[in-house]
Amino acid sequence: GAVVSQHPSWVICKSGTSVKIECRSLDFQATTMFWYRQFPKQSLMLMATSNEGSKATYEQGVEKDKFLINHASLTLSTLTVTSAHPEDSSFYICSASPTSGYSTDTQYFGPGTRLTVL
Amino acid sequence: GQQLNQSPQSMFIQEGEDVSMNCTSSSIFNTWLWYKQEPGEGPVLLIALYKAGELTSNGRLTAQFGITRKDSFLNISASIPSDVGIYFCAGHNTNAGKSTFGDGTTLTVKP
Repeated sequence: GAVVSQHPSWVICKSGTSVKIECRSLDFQATTMFWYRQFPKQSLMLMATSNEGSKATYEQGVEKDKFLINHASLTLSTLTVTSAHPEDSSFYICSASPTSGYSTDTQYFGPGTRLTVL
Repeated sequence: GQQLNQSPQSMFIQEGEDVSMNCTSSSIFNTWLWYKQEPGEGPVLLIALYKAGELTSNGRLTAQFGITRKDSFLNISASIPSDVGIYFCAGHNTNAGKSTFGDGTTLTVKP
């Protein structure tokens, strides 16, 4: 149980284009999903908290117009990197917290998406 | 914001040895979580702790939620090569609605 998928698993794009990453909770509903960015050999950096049906809450220093988040249903959140540049290249990971039950404080992670911007 | 101190930063051990790592914070958390991440993958939940003083095992892994709610440790007994990876602790604050992650402990196991 508690499986989270991400698509695509990797993407290469040209500078200036936009890339959309999907995060799905496959066997549970998630009111809250989180988006992280991870650089090599570093910890997870929280970018934003995504709440179903409302605007995402962005961490300080994260440009909300650059990283568009949509959480349209209880099982799907999307992150769109707009006008991507090489410095946006990174490993993006989403996580989801179950809506109900004992483990609502627990985050289950997706497998990550490797973005490379040329 | 809340910060976690995770130690050690890295460990190099021989197969069969036991491992211990811990996280401490100046703030109280409602939940402590331990994850393992392998290269190119997302973190995988190992153990979740929900009550102060709770001691939970998952196979060769044992973790405890500190009685002060400001710390947690993870032990791995009789390590094997597939234990290699980065282990992250995370403290969850229900009021804040998000978790704070430690910087990770990189474990290397020599056969």
